[in-house]
Amino acid sequence: ETGVTQSPTHLIKTRGQQVTLRCSSQSGHNTVSWYQQALGQGPQFIFQYYREEENGRGNFPPRFSGLQFPNYSSELNVNALELDDSALYLCASSYADRGSSPLHFGNGTRLTVT
Amino acid sequence: GESVGLHLPTLSVQEGDNSIINCAYSNSASDYFIWYKQESGKGPQFIIDIRSNMDKRQGQRVTVLLNKTVKHLSLQIAATQPGDSAVYFCAERTGANSKLTFGKGITLSVRP
Repeated sequence: ETGVTQSPTHLIKTRGQQVTLRCSSQSGHNTVSWYQQALGQGPQFIFQYYREEENGRGNFPPRFSGLQFPNYSSELNVNALELDDSALYLCASSYADRGSSPLHFGNGTRLTVT
Repeated sequence: GESVGLHLPTLSVQEGDNSIINCAYSNSASDYFIWYKQESGKGPQFIIDIRSNMDKRQGQRVTVLLNKTVKHLSLQIAATQPGDSAVYFCAERTGANSKLTFGKGITLSVRP
């Protein structure tokens, strides 16, 4: 069973730039969620995708957007990067049709905005 | 509003002792709770979960207890090992397939 994989592992961008982070879901999972984790904090929910549609969103501005592809992989896009966007971005997948199934996380992408 | 918090920021235990990590939650509508372990440089790793219709669930060396009356969740680790050293998060969910709300985390340090 292949776990959740994310790329790249580390990224450095300049304020104002745009970034795309990628995630491959765990095999058999059809739902993907993205979380932002600031240093020393718990992960904060950004949004969730199911069947290629966004079906839940946290308190993040529209410059955070995403996609889910037919093979259940996903992208997180952030436009007009700000210094406060520096964080660990975590992707998690689950199987939505199995009641309460736990989220399985990847190891994240560490984004640094300078 | 909803919040998930942890009582203590750090916990230091002797190798071989049992560890108890506590968590308070405030959303009485939450129906599913999860404990995660996060090691440095890695994503959160699923440990154990429990639904609100249960008050105890056991795994390998771990037990989760849920007290809905006082909105309290705890994780017990038996015979704590150095490999258990990590940050532990409790998280809650309200409704199937909805978002997880995490607390800030507690660091477990195991003394040899």
